[in-house]
Amino acid sequence: EVQLVESGGGLVKPGGSLRLSCAASGFTFSSHSMNWVRQAPGKGLEWVSSISSANTYIYYADSVKGRFTISRDNAGNSLFLQMNSLRVEDTAIYYCARVDGEFDYWGQGTLVTVSS
Amino acid sequence: QSVLTQSPSASGTPGQRVTISCSGSSSNIGSNTVNWYQQLPGTAPKLLIYGDDQRPSGVPDRFSGSKSGTSASLAISGLQSEDEADYYCAAWDDSLDGPKWVFGGGTKLSVL
Repeated sequence: EVQLVESGGGLVKPGGSLRLSCAASGFTFSSHSMNWVRQAPGKGLEWVSSISSANTYIYYADSVKGRFTISRDNAGNSLFLQMNSLRVEDTAIYYCARVDGEFDYWGQGTLVTVSS
Repeated sequence: QSVLTQSPSASGTPGQRVTISCSGSSSNIGSNTVNWYQQLPGTAPKLLIYGDDQRPSGVPDRFSGSKSGTSASLAISGLQSEDEADYYCAAWDDSLDGPKWVFGGGTKLSVL
């Protein structure tokens, strides 16, 4: 059974940093592109970042470019999102999602709150 | 402002057929497949339709997808109360300013 479990969310002040993790199991992690998608309170889904299976391709949404860094550890079946210079508007539930042509599996999400 | 455009809301009564639309452009829907996601209250999104019109295993055949040009649609027939949820379309976008995934703003479906 495919499982994606996010962790690392919490309350942080504007300008601060957080590192999110996503532990994957139940599939060959190294064969799939992985993504982060976020959802601000009461709002829709927003794609954040994508990383290909072998780290060859990495993409970011304009809203996070230069502040967030996506990475992965294929040996440890884990996906990461380093978030720096956080802003109030980054407050959201952050989901990791597996891609197999589409976002076919999602984690339960981890809440990031940026507030003073 | 979402790259893909969806109506904010839709509604129907049990048993009815409802359609949710998603409008994009040549760089996303016009050149890549469309996927649809269902998000029940307080839960993570779930893949509903992929490849424009394919249903993952376990998704009832009451749900169907279609695409024409730069627009796509999700149809739900035999509407049930448990279909009350938010629905999102998504597609890969090959735009010149950088490839990316794009979502619609979501459609809140109410079953009256």
